[in-house]
Amino acid sequence: EIVMTQSPATLSVSPGERATLSCRASQSVSSTLAWYQQKPGQAPRLLIYGASTRATGIPARFSGSGSGTEFTLTISSLQSEDFAVYYCQQYNNWPPSLTFGGGTKVEIK
Amino acid sequence: EVQLVESGGGLVQPGGSLRLSCAASGFTFSTYSMNWVRQAPGKGLEWISYISSSSGAIYYTDSVKGRFTISRDNAKNSLYLQMNSLRAEDTAVYYCAGWVTSARGAFDIWGRGTMVTVSS
Repeated sequence: EIVMTQSPATLSVSPGERATLSCRASQSVSSTLAWYQQKPGQAPRLLIYGASTRATGIPARFSGSGSGTEFTLTISSLQSEDFAVYYCQQYNNWPPSLTFGGGTKVEIK
Repeated sequence: EVQLVESGGGLVQPGGSLRLSCAASGFTFSTYSMNWVRQAPGKGLEWISYISSSSGAIYYTDSVKGRFTISRDNAKNSLYLQMNSLRAEDTAVYYCAGWVTSARGAFDIWGRGTMVTVSS
């Protein structure tokens, strides 16, 4: 099974600042990597797929990069609504499995 | 508007059974594969099962194989998860999810989830 590791576990950022979140795969997943945002009590929302393609309706301040085993989600200027937990997920080893990272919580500094 | 609505969660004793349902609307359900993803309280996301549009391909994560059964009724635009021999570690919010406009494997549609609690 491919293990996804996210860092840091918690990121404290001030509104308007840039946030950089990391995700590492235990083996290469090429560019089959997605990022999700989840707020308390809500379902996850797809932000990025294919490592760098923004999903429908996602603001341009969200960008994804990387390939192989190292990936980054960047939020260029944090808005109040961006404070949430972010998960990466690989879908290279599909079928039969899809695996998520443990999440990074972005909190207000 | 694409919508997924889960139901059927609740409190069940260890060893018991529960059947979850997911009602789909706003898209041609019969042409899309679907999944169940769960999230234990305060924990991360875990994919647990997949079913293709025609039910011809079905997959499970190892921890639920032999206990859970995924199925669908395209005439009713519905997805199901039959959960047997439930354990405390199955306690979670269960989401139905799928990929419609994104890539195969990247979930761009999600329900709001239904809570399953396994406890005596």
